[in-house]
Formats: sequence, C-alpha cells, structure tokens
Amino acid sequence: GENVEQHPSTLSVQEGDSAVIKCTYSDSASNYFPWYKQELGKRPQLIIDIRSNVGEKKDQRIAVTLNKTAKHFSLHITETQPEDSAVYFCAASKEGFKTIFGAGTRLFVKA
Amino acid sequence: NAGVTQTPKFRVLKTGQSMTLLCAQDMNHEYMYWYRQDPGMGLRLIHYSVGEGTTAKGEVPDGYNVSRLKKQNFLLGLESAAPSQTSVYFCASSTTGGSNQPQHFGDGTRLSIL
Repeated sequence: GENVEQHPSTLSVQEGDSAVIKCTYSDSASNYFPWYKQELGKRPQLIIDIRSNVGEKKDQRIAVTLNKTAKHFSLHITETQPEDSAVYFCAASKEGFKTIFGAGTRLFVKA
Repeated sequence: NAGVTQTPKFRVLKTGQSMTLLCAQDMNHEYMYWYRQDPGMGLRLIHYSVGEGTTAKGEVPDGYNVSRLKKQNFLLGLESAAPSQTSVYFCASSTTGGSNQPQHFGDGTRLSIL
C-alpha cells in the first residue's frame, strides 16, 4: 500500500544553522505534499505545502522542494531558532484519498 | 471561529469500560478523520468520513467504532477499552479528501486505560 518514509527521526542543530528533513513516497499518483509542525502537547498545524506542478516553494525561513521523478520531497529550515523545536510530519495524498503521514522528525534547536 | 473542537481533553478509563470521544467542526468541512498518536509512530488513521452518514476504516480500526450523523460532528467510540488503546487521539477535518486540502486538527484527547 501507500507509504511515506521520513528521515531522520531525530535532528539536533545549533541555533542559526539550517535543518533539512527528507521524505520519500511510494504512490506516483500523489500530488499534494503538506508539512505539519507539532509543538509539545499541541495539535499538528500546517506550516507549508506543495503541489505536484511546482518544484519548490518558500515562505520566509521555510522552503519545501519536490522531486517527482525520484518521489521525494524535503523541508528546509534556515536560520533555526529555539521556537523551531518541535516534531515535523510530512504527508502525501492524491485527490479523493486519505492522506498518508510520515512517522515524524523531532527537531531540537540548541541555543 | 473555533475550528475543530474535541471533548474531553483527558480521560482515564478502566479496562473493559466504554466511552465516546466527540469531535465538532464549524468550517462546513466534508471530510473528517480520527487518528491516534503513539510515541515514535506518528499519526495513524483509525476511521474517516467523506460526508454526513458515511464512515470508512483506516489503518487501525479494530476496537473502535464511529458515527457521522451530522456533518459537523464525528464520534469515536471505544466499545471495550484495552490498555493498548492508551494514546492521544486527534480529530481532523478538511474540505475534501486528499489533493490540495490541508487538514485542520483539534487539540487532542489524552486517553489512559488502566
């Protein structure tokens, strides 16, 4: 069945450094790729998403890239800050079907 | 605008007891979902609904039942609670399934089964 693999499971960076989280999906028909951030004890919230007709999208310090041929997409956070510390989930979906989530990456930003 | 509201926020049950978790959304969304979140396992889909009166099984449906009698409400029932069902439960909703539509999550229900 459909599967989304996410790496790494844990990532620790120094404040100001960049962080990269990578995901691979199995269903080549997937065409929507959201990223969610979940702070400790809180709900997951959408931070950025990308559709299959776009290769890259940026929103301030956050960017997502998509490689449809290789079936992988990545989240890039630049100039990390302590408030970026959270669990990040990638996901993949296609029209009319349920969303498949990755297992999550716990990001620690050390001050 | 409350978004997605889950009740209760916390609950402790004894093995064998039953209970119902309520999810309500005020965004007129068609799709609603129930997930459970366990350490290191991400979000696993229990059941979902594509519209009022419909339900479908997700990845881990055993031991749970759901109902969507009204468009704005999605109920998750535990028939006979087991310690393996100790988890954090999240409800979510979206305008349609899949493509181009993010899911909006509630604050979660932390459930402990003793």
